[in-house]
Formats: sequence, C-alpha cells, structure tokens
Amino acid sequence: EAAVTQSPRNKVAVTGGKVTLSCNQTNNHNNMYWYRQDTGHGLRLIHYSYGAGSTEKGDIPDGYKASRPSQENFSLILELATPSQTSVYFCASGDYINTEVFFGKGTRLTVV
Amino acid sequence: AQSVTQPDARVTVSEGASLQLRCKYSYFGTPYLFWYVQYPRQGLQLLLKYYPGDPVVQGVNGFEAEFSKSNSSFHLRKASVHWSDWAVYFCASSGSWQLIFGSGTQLTVMP
Repeated sequence: EAAVTQSPRNKVAVTGGKVTLSCNQTNNHNNMYWYRQDTGHGLRLIHYSYGAGSTEKGDIPDGYKASRPSQENFSLILELATPSQTSVYFCASGDYINTEVFFGKGTRLTVV
Repeated sequence: AQSVTQPDARVTVSEGASLQLRCKYSYFGTPYLFWYVQYPRQGLQLLLKYYPGDPVVQGVNGFEAEFSKSNSSFHLRKASVHWSDWAVYFCASSGSWQLIFGSGTQLTVMP
C-alpha cells in the first residue's frame, strides 16, 4: 500500500533553534515535495526533488533547506526557526509526471 | 509561470443540492489537473485527475470535473451533495514536474 510517513507529527520549537522535518515514502516515486499550509494560502510549495541527491526551490524557499539523501527520504530543515514558520507542513511523493501523488498526514510546527 | 486560482474561498450548499467549485489554471500548454479533498486535520486525498483527452472526468463519491481549454478552467461538480462532503477542496496543476495548488475552497453543507 502506498505510503508517505512524516515525523514528527507535532513539534514545538524555540525561535532560533534548528528544526528537521522528515519524510519517508515507500512508493518508489521520483518526485517528492514539501508544502506548508496556512489559512487563506492553501498549500505553498517550499522545496521539491526529482530524485536522490536533487533539491529544487519552490515558491517560498526562504528560511528553509531540503535534503534528499535517498529515493525514500526527503527532509525539510529550518536552520534558524522563526515564529512566522509556524504552520502545518505536508510532504508528498509523486511519480515522474505526477499522475500519482500521495500525501503524508502533516506535521504541525509551532515556533515560540 | 504556472498558477491555479480558486476564486471562491467558501461555498455553502444545502444537502441534496448540486455543487460546482471553480478552478482556473494558468499554464502555457495543457497541464495535468487534479482535485483533492482535505477532511479536518487530515492530509489530502485525490478525488480525480485529468490528462489530455476526454474533457469530463469522473472521480470518487460522485464527483466529476470538466476541463475547458478555452476558459482555462477545471470546475468540480456533484449532482447531489451529502453532509459528509463537508471539507476543503483543492484544485492542483502539474506542469514542468511541479505540483501547484490553489488556495482551496471550504465547502459547508447545510442540513
């Protein structure tokens, strides 16, 4: 069964701290995505990846880094977390042309 | 640049009534188009997807959508809404390997 697993599901971080959000997929998909969801903005693309070793900037990459060490894993890194990064983050995986895309259940991040 | 616009942030319908949720896309070619649904505190689930071909696509739970190249639209429809359809609906476009979402439409179903 297709699966995208995000960890942690909930996180409280302090301003200026480092936060790493992890995503694992068992779908053998090439593409992986990180989005954040905020009221009134829908899902906004932060970073994405075409495959192991690749990362690309999405629409709102400032303040975020991404890492794709393997086909299965894609991490989102906040080196210096700020309260404006409080949001719900979703990871997704998709096949080569996104005919099949699956989402994780989301990570609720609060930066205090 | 690729973009998706959902002009209605909120839509309210009575149970049993018909539904249309609007979506406009912007892309230089013909993208792949999707509708997703998000129930409270959950991730996104695919309702239906469009690839170039028949402009009307059928999805799960009685949903369908119609693609119009001339109007750059991909509106979602349902003939009779059920209370369980209360959710947020997202239109998405895939072109250039990016998957871009609209801002979503909150559907409220009145008894």
